Parts: sequence; C-alpha cells; structure tokens
Amino acid sequence: ETGVTQTPRHLVMGMTNKKSLKCEQHLGHNAMYWYKQSAKKPLELMFVYNFKEQTENNSVPSRFSPECPNSSHLFLHLHTLQPEDSALYLCASSRGLDYNEQFFGPGTRLTVL
Amino acid sequence: DAKTTQPNSMESNEEEPVHLPCNHSTISGTDYIHWYRQLPSQGPEYVIHGLTSNVNNRMASLAIAEDRKSSTLILHRATLRDAAVYYCILRLPGEGAQKLVFGQGTRLTINP
Repeated sequence: ETGVTQTPRHLVMGMTNKKSLKCEQHLGHNAMYWYKQSAKKPLELMFVYNFKEQTENNSVPSRFSPECPNSSHLFLHLHTLQPEDSALYLCASSRGLDYNEQFFGPGTRLTVL
Repeated sequence: DAKTTQPNSMESNEEEPVHLPCNHSTISGTDYIHWYRQLPSQGPEYVIHGLTSNVNNRMASLAIAEDRKSSTLILHRATLRDAAVYYCILRLPGEGAQKLVFGQGTRLTINP
C-alpha cells in the first residue's frame, strides 16, 4: 500500500452522466496530482495542486474539473465525457512540489460508453 | 523537456541481475534522472533517482554515465515481483511542479 487510495476502482459511465473520482492520501503530503494513462500512450500529467491551490492545468478539456478541498483530498469531476476519455486515472501525492518521490494510488479504470 | 529512449521490452531470469538502459543525450546539467516502475494493475512506484553520482537503495542501483547522456538501472537479483514496466524520466529541479514526463518505458519480463 502506498498511502494513496482512489475510489471507485472501476467506473462505467455514459456520455451524458456526471461522476466524480476521489483520491485521498494518508501521508501528510502537500502536493497532489492527477494523471491519465490511456491504452498504448504514456502517462499524461493533468493537474497539480499544492497546498490546495491549483498550480498546473496541462491543457485539460473543461469536461474534467478538479477540486482540492484540503491537502489530503483530491477530486476529479467528470461530465459529458467522450469515449476517447476512457483510461486509467491515477492520483499521486508528494511531500512538496520539489520532492523527488511521488506516491501513486492504484487508479480508477474509467470506461465511457 | 529532454527526452529519454528505452528499449520496448527486456527479458531476464529469476535471481539474475538485470541492467535496464536509458539514453538521454539531450539532458541538461540540472536534469535529475528518475526511475519509476509500474507493476500490473497498479500505479507507478518510485524506484530511484540521481544527478551525477551512482546511487544505491534497497530496491536498485543507478549507474550514470560520466557524460550523463545515458544511465542504467540495475536490479541485482531479479524476482518474479520485479516484472513491470520501468520508466526512465528526466526532471528539472527547483521551482514549479514535478513534471514527471513518462515515456513508453521498458516492459521487463522475468522468467522463473
């Protein structure tokens, strides 16, 4: 166990649905990240939060909306997704932005029908 | 971002050493070299990082070429649990977020 949990582990949704992914870290870290891992593509950084403030949005479409209510929790709100958004969504945390080690959760496997 | 090049796949036998190469010919003087691995059905896991000197930890060793244009991750005695995709990543230090730019990685197969 890495100390980073993600729920749900699997999610199937239609293009008109609204759903949310949740990430929680029990490590006392201050920085949290969302990554997307599509089939046959490298991991892509989506968003970065540091002390609850968003520090990076890597040109992610607005149908993905992140929320960081505190340093331990990170959400990814999903609405009107496309089938090509089907992927493994990974959350990670680190002690701070400049620390070398990121701790990843197990991911949420998302399928958009 | 500077790029890394890794073989798509490698195969080794259990209890033997494994040397995973990475080329990063466009590396700058301040880029750190990171290695992560991703076991099946799991998120990536930090393995090791270094700048100029060789590094050792409980998981692996990192050998960095003198010109820093290549590096090798060494698993001293592979186990079946080491079967994973290994990513070699460059990261700029200092300000801003840790931009771990993952490539395709090397898929390591360990034979019993």
